[in-house]
Amino acid sequence: GAGVSQSPRYKVAKRGQDVALRCDPISGHVSLFWYQQALGQGPEFLTYFQNEAQLDKSGLPSDRFFAERPEGSVSTLKIQRTQQEDSAVYLCASSLEGYSGNTIYFGEGSWLTVV
Amino acid sequence: AQSVTQLDSQVPVFEEAPVELRCNYSSSVSVYLFWYVQYPNQGLQLLLKYLSGSTLVESINGFEAEFNKSQTSFHLRKPSVHISDTAEYFCAVSPILTGGGNKLTFGTGTQLKVEL
Repeated sequence: GAGVSQSPRYKVAKRGQDVALRCDPISGHVSLFWYQQALGQGPEFLTYFQNEAQLDKSGLPSDRFFAERPEGSVSTLKIQRTQQEDSAVYLCASSLEGYSGNTIYFGEGSWLTVV
Repeated sequence: AQSVTQLDSQVPVFEEAPVELRCNYSSSVSVYLFWYVQYPNQGLQLLLKYLSGSTLVESINGFEAEFNKSQTSFHLRKPSVHISDTAEYFCAVSPILTGGGNKLTFGTGTQLKVEL
């Protein structure tokens, strides 16, 4: 597609429920990122893939968060046993290459509300 | 590690007036600098970036930003704003790494509200 596509756009989950958020990066983009944006805050880095390899997962807040990109294209961010503090917008982004300064393109985000 | 500070959470301004959105950063290594814009109900879009060369960079819609290494700043300016510039603006940095990797660290954003 023309841009980074994320689904679902909106998700309401009951506390304790598992959720899966999907990201389709721009075709051919090597690098893929997940960010978390809480209300009134800037995006915060969660994890980074180069092709199928997860090179950095230092931003994942707990072991309830898991991300994968098995074939180097589509990625899924999974949150197990959701908590209220997980409520945020989850942004996926991709770039053609992984070098510093390469433009990163963002999707519109998946809005997660945990009730 | 890097950090980005945007001191102004909201900046109201009248149409056709000039505006400056401030950004300061801290980093133990050299960085590239970016401004992203988020219009209502849309995703983040790159506005402009500084990689090297002239410290003054411009966007296609009249914004400009100047990299000041001594003051570790990258302030965004526009001499005359339009109502359509109403949006949230995020400053971000990415460390210059020989091994690659272009993770961004963002500030908390500045909401620009242009009024008639």
